[in-house]
Amino acid sequence: DTEVTQTPKHLVMGMTNKKSLKCEQHMGHRAMYWYKQKAKKPPELMFVYSYEKLSINESVPSRFSPECPNSSLLNLHLHALQPEDSALYLCASSLTDSYGYTFGSGTRLTVV
Amino acid sequence: GEDVEQSLFLSVREGDSSVINCTYTDSSSTYLYWYKQEPGAGLQLLTYIFSNMDMKQDQRLTVLLNKKDKHLSLRIADTQTGDSAIYFCAEVFNGGGTSYGKLTFGQGTILTVHP
Repeated sequence: DTEVTQTPKHLVMGMTNKKSLKCEQHMGHRAMYWYKQKAKKPPELMFVYSYEKLSINESVPSRFSPECPNSSLLNLHLHALQPEDSALYLCASSLTDSYGYTFGSGTRLTVV
Repeated sequence: GEDVEQSLFLSVREGDSSVINCTYTDSSSTYLYWYKQEPGAGLQLLTYIFSNMDMKQDQRLTVLLNKKDKHLSLRIADTQTGDSAIYFCAEVFNGGGTSYGKLTFGQGTILTVHP
């Protein structure tokens, strides 16, 4: 298995909703990442988990809450989002600090 | 600090070669990546090159790395209309000694292939 799987592929949520994005990989990668991408822009790093511990939080608002239940799973919990949070959310994993950096196909989030 | 630059647009005719250029600043980068993104889709890893290499070929793709000038290029031979997409180069910055890496992307090059 050489993939990073993200669900759902599309999500529409209201500003008062609570939802979660899920990411899964079975490549034995010990680093997992959340990136946010706006249209026609490069992805921007949000969070990094290394060995299931949060290693980087790039000053992301608390309405985004990451969770890493085990070495294969990464979640992003969403609460009270704003319309400007609408974007493509990409999960990635890597074997080491630089090798095998693999992205999922993303969740396209629309906040209404 | 880390910074990656790419030209924003490239337009070619079907069957021609495309060359997408990228410059980076972090001389300690170990891997440099090329990703392709089609409209509405996620990032597809095209190829990567280890920093001690100067060339890597993979079917229609050729990556050239000039470490002295910190210049990376991606050549696509026999470009097809299906190659139309945004192409991102990226370098990994790990801040030294960590088990994770932060990817720094260029702004992306929009490749348009005309029939």
